[in-house]
Amino acid sequence: DARVTQTPRDKVTEMGQEVTMRCQPILGHNTVFWYRQTMMQGLELLAYFRNRAPLDDSGMPKDRFSAEMPDATLATLKIQPSEPRDSAVYFCASGLMTSGRGEQFFGPGTRLTVL
Amino acid sequence: RKEVEQDPGPFNVPEGATVAFNCTYSNSASQSFFWYRQDCRKEPKLLMSVYSSGNEDGRFTAQLNRASQYISLLIRDSKLSDSATYLCVVNVYNFNKFYFGSGTKLNVKP
Repeated sequence: DARVTQTPRDKVTEMGQEVTMRCQPILGHNTVFWYRQTMMQGLELLAYFRNRAPLDDSGMPKDRFSAEMPDATLATLKIQPSEPRDSAVYFCASGLMTSGRGEQFFGPGTRLTVL
Repeated sequence: RKEVEQDPGPFNVPEGATVAFNCTYSNSASQSFFWYRQDCRKEPKLLMSVYSSGNEDGRFTAQLNRASQYISLLIRDSKLSDSATYLCVVNVYNFNKFYFGSGTKLNVKP
């Protein structure tokens, strides 16, 4: 049963520290998404990649956030420096966006707390 | 105006009831539509995809009304386990834009 995996599942850090979140998409999927979810804002799209190339990162604060996909099996989201307002659940999702299909499959999320 | 709007609820219904949610979208170029369910402190999970007029899977039916720009989700014979938040997702511009609604919360009571 193919699944998206994310590490770490939980992260508590102090303001100013660097945070790196990792995602392994489902093998064969060509699109990877990063989302952030808070109670106040709901689910927000931060960035996404198609065939490892960044397609849209307009939802991401550029000064402190960066997203990369060094290879087809790994996507990373980095926050440097982290701030308390970054506290949220970060989800990675992947999908095969071809032939008119658009389903996304979500990983379990990384719950980030910045103190 | 938001791209996708949903009634946040909560919808409180007894077991066995039929319940329906609507999701309205603003962009007429929207091409495909999805319903996800999300349990508390869990990731969204795909429930149904809609590429034409509708889709049905067991007790769940999704209907698309392009003229009025809304998609509905009907749940028949609701179970306690259906209690969750239901997210509507709309895809625009040939998969280069996805928009999530804020979700509708459903509570099914015994």
